[in-house]
Amino acid sequence: EVQLVQSGAEVKKPGESLRISCQVSGYNFVAYWITWVRQMPGKGLEWMGRTDPSGSYTTYSPSFQGHVTISADKSVSTAYLQWTSLKASDTAMYFCARQRPTFGESDYWGQGTLITVSS
Amino acid sequence: DIQMTQSPPSLSASVGDRVTITCRPSQTITINLNWYQSKPGKAPRLLIFGATVLQSGVPSRFSGAHSGAAFTLTINTLQPEDFATYYCQQTYSSPHTFGQGTKVDI
Repeated sequence: EVQLVQSGAEVKKPGESLRISCQVSGYNFVAYWITWVRQMPGKGLEWMGRTDPSGSYTTYSPSFQGHVTISADKSVSTAYLQWTSLKASDTAMYFCARQRPTFGESDYWGQGTLITVSS
Repeated sequence: DIQMTQSPPSLSASVGDRVTITCRPSQTITINLNWYQSKPGKAPRLLIFGATVLQSGVPSRFSGAHSGAAFTLTINTLQPEDFATYYCQQTYSSPHTFGQGTKVDI
């Protein structure tokens, strides 16, 4: 059974750093890209970027480039999303998803990680 | 970036209705268009990929189509569990942008 299990909710202060994780099981981790999607409270889905776990090649949306880092560690079948300096505007639910090569669709999703940034 | 314009932003419907949601990209995306269903506090669910292909396990009342530059998601015979927000997404070029969403409520 394919599963993407994300790390738990976090409450952080502005300026703090954070790394959240997405551990996969049930398929060959390096065979599919992992995508990250943001959903701010009451808002729509925003594509942040994706990483190729086989070669650690990563591409970002210009809206997120420079503010987050997406990575993957194939030794533990886990993808990561990290910030070095959080802002209040980073408060959101973050989802990881497996991206299929057919049409780039995301067929399996993590349960989401809620990040709250508040002083 | 490719902009995805969804319409309508919201609609009210009843159980048994047929609803259609439209998505228009700002430039050509061939058929690299996917549809998702989203409910509060839950992960999005893939419904349609490649503009018209029904994802495994998704009820056949969901269908996708495209004509010219417009893509549509149709839900036939709306069921209570279908009240949700629906998003289109283009995966033709990076960034893989989503539409603004269409909320379907009672």
